[in-house]
Amino acid sequence: QITLKESGPTLVKPTQTLTLTCTFSGLSLSTNGVGVGWIRQPPGKALEWLALVYGNDDKRYRPSLKTRLTISKDTSRNQVVLIMTNMDPADTATYYCAHLKLVLGEVFDYWGQGTRVTVSS
Amino acid sequence: DIEMTQSPASLSASVGDRVTITCRASQSISSYLNWYRHKPGRAPEVLIYAASSLQRGVPSRFSGSGSGTDFILTISSLQPDDFGTYYCQQSYSIPPTFGQGTKVEIK
Repeated sequence: QITLKESGPTLVKPTQTLTLTCTFSGLSLSTNGVGVGWIRQPPGKALEWLALVYGNDDKRYRPSLKTRLTISKDTSRNQVVLIMTNMDPADTATYYCAHLKLVLGEVFDYWGQGTRVTVSS
Repeated sequence: DIEMTQSPASLSASVGDRVTITCRASQSISSYLNWYRHKPGRAPEVLIYAASSLQRGVPSRFSGSGSGTDFILTISSLQPDDFGTYYCQQSYSIPPTFGQGTKVEIK
């Protein structure tokens, strides 16, 4: 059974740094053709892709947020960590991690349930 | 960024109805188009990938079609469990982008 679970703070203050952890089971992130990404959804808005790390440790970031994001993987602990600096109330959202497979393109085939993050002083 | 536009924004249909949701890309994305369903409080799930490939375990009443800029998700016979918000997503270029969603309600 493949599962992913997001964890992290539910409340952060403006300008603080957010650290989110995705812990997964039933899949490997040490092979080619797979990855784990982070996607968020602000209240009432569309899903927004943030970052992705592939099994070969290649990384991709949303260009508009690239200076604020860092993604990393710890294969031995089955975890992927997303760090977002200089948080703003506009970053209030539910944050999801998702497993990516490369097949006829890229698709997020398994998702976590999400973790809600509020940015407020 | 490639903009994905879905229509309608919401729909209400009866069990057994045929339902179609459309998704249009702001530029050609070949067949790099995925469809997801998201139910409140649950993890999103992929239904269709590469425009027309059915994800393993997804009922065959779901189908996808299209290429280039115009895509369609069809539910051939709506079932009570099919409620939720449906999203299209392009994987043609970085950043991957999603449509605004289509909320499906069961009458």
